[in-house]
Order: sequence, then C-alpha cells, then structure tokens
Amino acid sequence: GAGVSQSPSNKVTEKGKDVELRCDPISGHTALYWYRQSLGQGLEFLIYFQGNSAPDKSGLPSDRFSAERTGGSVSTLTIQRTQQEDSAVYLCASSLGLTQYFGPGTRLLVL
Amino acid sequence: KNQVEQSPQSLIILEGKNCTLQCNYTVSPFSNLRWYKQDTGRGPVSLTIMTFSENTKSNGRYTATLDADTKQSSLHITASQLSDSASYICVVSNNDYKLSFGAGTTVTVRA
Repeated sequence: GAGVSQSPSNKVTEKGKDVELRCDPISGHTALYWYRQSLGQGLEFLIYFQGNSAPDKSGLPSDRFSAERTGGSVSTLTIQRTQQEDSAVYLCASSLGLTQYFGPGTRLLVL
Repeated sequence: KNQVEQSPQSLIILEGKNCTLQCNYTVSPFSNLRWYKQDTGRGPVSLTIMTFSENTKSNGRYTATLDADTKQSSLHITASQLSDSASYICVVSNNDYKLSFGAGTTVTVRA
C-alpha cells in the first residue's frame, strides 16, 4: 500500500475486555514500531520489531500488553483486561532507514 | 530520564507571518534530532532529521536548527499558511530507533 495502515480507526470497549489493534506497514519496511499517545503527552515507545531479530519490548507498560509481527509484515498489539488508563491513541510506524512513517492511529476508549 | 521539552505549548499566528518553535533536550548520548508535523487525527509526518554535525536543515518553508552543545533546537516556519495548523513534535534519538518525544507545540494559523 501507499502508507502505513491501522485498524480499527476507533475502538470503544468496556473495562476488563481484551482488544486487538492491527498495523499493516509499508511493504518492504523491515522495522515496525508501536507507540502510545495520551492526551497532552508525548508519544511513548511501546515495542520495536526489526526483521527476524528478537523484538525490543522494553516500553510495554505491563504484562497485559503484548505484540506480534507475523511473517515480518503485519503486526498486532493486544491489550488484555483493558483498564481506563489504557485509553489513548495507539500509533504504528514502519521504516527502512532513519525516517519512521506513521499510520493514522487507533483511538482506544475504555469505558 | 531522557527528556525533550518544547515551548511554547501552543501559539496562534496570522497567515503569512513567521514563527519559531523551541526544543530543549537532555537525551544522551545523542544520535539525531527530528521534527515531525502531526495534523489532527493523523499520524506524525517527518519534516527534518539532523545529526550531531548539522546546524541547520530546511524543508520548504520549514527550517530547523540544532545546537548540540547547548542541546537546543528550533523550527522556524516562514510565511505561514492555513495548512500549517498542526502540532509540531521535537523528537530526539540516542540510537537509530529508540526515540524520545516532546509533547508538541500546537500551531494555529488564522486568516
């Protein structure tokens, strides 16, 4: 595709439910990143995938958060037992070099 | 903790006028500094990337400066247009992929 795509664009869920967020990176990009953007805050690094290397999960805020990248392309971020403080915009980015190209984000609201 | 501080938090300018946004950082070691533009409801888009040895870099009407000694950067917007209304985010990297994000400066351009 022309750019990074994410789905769904918006997600409303109830506290305690699990959610899955999807990211389709730019074709050929070896690196994929997940970030969280809370209102009025800077983007917060969550996880980084690079090719077949072990991902850098150092930014995941708790063990309720996990991410996979299948076949070096599509990635899924899973949040289990969602809490209200998980409400934020979740952004995915991909890159081949220094420049990261961001998707439009998934706006998650936990009621 | 690595920090990136931006000022002002927001500003309003008249179409055609210039403005300058500031960024101070304490990220160390330093690899590169980036400025991103984020339109409402969209993902950030890269404007410039500067390494330690670069003092200035332009992208159309956007000019970024970097003083690695004082750990300061600025983004100057010349002859502002309505489409410049967005959040401008300063991002500092201490390696190729791990980024520290500022909270952004919201620019509103009025006719």
